[in-house]
Amino acid sequence: AQSVTQLDSQVPVFEEAPVELRCNYSSSVSVYLFWYVQYPNQGLQLLLKYLSGSTLVKGINGFEAEFNKSQTSFHLRKPSVHISDTAEYFCAVSDLSNAGNMLTFGGGTRLMVKP
Amino acid sequence: EAQVTQNPRYLITVTGKKLTVTCSQNMNHEYMSWYRQDPGLGLRQIYYSMNVEVTDKGDVPEGYKVSRKEKRNFPLILESPSPNQTSLYFCASSPTRHAEAFFGQGTRLTVV
Repeated sequence: AQSVTQLDSQVPVFEEAPVELRCNYSSSVSVYLFWYVQYPNQGLQLLLKYLSGSTLVKGINGFEAEFNKSQTSFHLRKPSVHISDTAEYFCAVSDLSNAGNMLTFGGGTRLMVKP
Repeated sequence: EAQVTQNPRYLITVTGKKLTVTCSQNMNHEYMSWYRQDPGLGLRQIYYSMNVEVTDKGDVPEGYKVSRKEKRNFPLILESPSPNQTSLYFCASSPTRHAEAFFGQGTRLTVV
């Protein structure tokens, strides 16, 4: 079964600093990869997705992620964060060899942007 | 507006009292799922449905039931809730099997 590891449960960072949120998944032949953001008291909103093609994926709010197949990673980055980026971020994987409809999520990383 | 709607948003109940959390989507999506979110564990899938009358277990189905009698609705049923089902629940829908999921606003359930 697929598993997803988000290596940092919390990431504190100052405003305007760069940030990287790390995500690793267990090996699979073919996967789709997603990053979601959850603001307080809200549902999850899609930030970006990798389905195929270029390994560098750009998403909303200035975020981007890079798919690295050899390292089975999909790290999320932003060059300059804002206070409004404070939220919980989830990495998710869809294993294309799975016959069902299942997204496997990591445990989440809480990004805390400080002024 | 395209959306997934869950009700209620907040629910406190007692052990053993049957409850239903409703979920409805207006995007004509084939696939619908229920997840529970617990601190440090991320979201874990409870059940999913690939179409009307077609449902299957996810990672943590024990203690839950679902039904899919209409394409737009996918209620989650707890026949006899227990305190370990205290959690934040999300319903989601997606247009195809491995596509991105669209989430509802969540239902925070407390079982005392």
